[in-house]
Amino acid sequence: GESVGLHLPTLSVQEGDNSIINCAYSNSASDYFIWYKQESGKGPQFIIDIRSNMDKRQGQRVTVLLNKTVKHLSLQIAATQPGDSAVYFCAENTGGNAGGTSYGKLTFGQGTILTVHP
Amino acid sequence: GAVVSQHPSWVICKSGTSVKIECRSLDFQATTMFWYRQFPKQSLMLMATSNEGSKATYEQGVEKDKFLINHASLTLSTLTVTSAHPEDSSFYICSAIQGALVNTEAFFGQGTRLTVV
Repeated sequence: GESVGLHLPTLSVQEGDNSIINCAYSNSASDYFIWYKQESGKGPQFIIDIRSNMDKRQGQRVTVLLNKTVKHLSLQIAATQPGDSAVYFCAENTGGNAGGTSYGKLTFGQGTILTVHP
Repeated sequence: GAVVSQHPSWVICKSGTSVKIECRSLDFQATTMFWYRQFPKQSLMLMATSNEGSKATYEQGVEKDKFLINHASLTLSTLTVTSAHPEDSSFYICSAIQGALVNTEAFFGQGTRLTVV
């Protein structure tokens, strides 16, 4: 089946730098994308989402960019802090089907380990 | 925000025994819950979709007779790993959504670490 993948498995940055985490997806039917942060031993934590009718969305210190032409998604973290160190996953939701059972059904990318050095 | 709680947070069981993991939506009614499995240093892989009052839908390659899912109420889904083996050791995570709208945010539990010895 189709899947979401990431270009970089690890990323190390200095505190205060900006971080960019990339993700490539292959399912052109995907209409909703989410970035999650996962700390060791915990469940995924929602960071920001974007719908396919948008190409940019900003949150607090985070920005998600969506390029549907090349099926690429990125997460930008401004002024990265040590507390941002975690694994970051992109995920896609292809939406509902005739049976209505795939709402909220997500396909996750492989993950990027972000390490922020003080 | 909405809270999803899993119990237990971790469990150790002997090979051949069964283990039940609970997923509860604490402050909302979850029409649908999802179960994921995550091996160390890997991504989350969807195992099954659980709808209240109906049979779960399993992803390809997931044995429905081994991973029993029950969604008896709008706030509780359970995953039972039957006849567990060491290769079933993993981090099991559930998520829940409130409605049936496309692009509804999914809320995740904190995960359950299963170790089969």
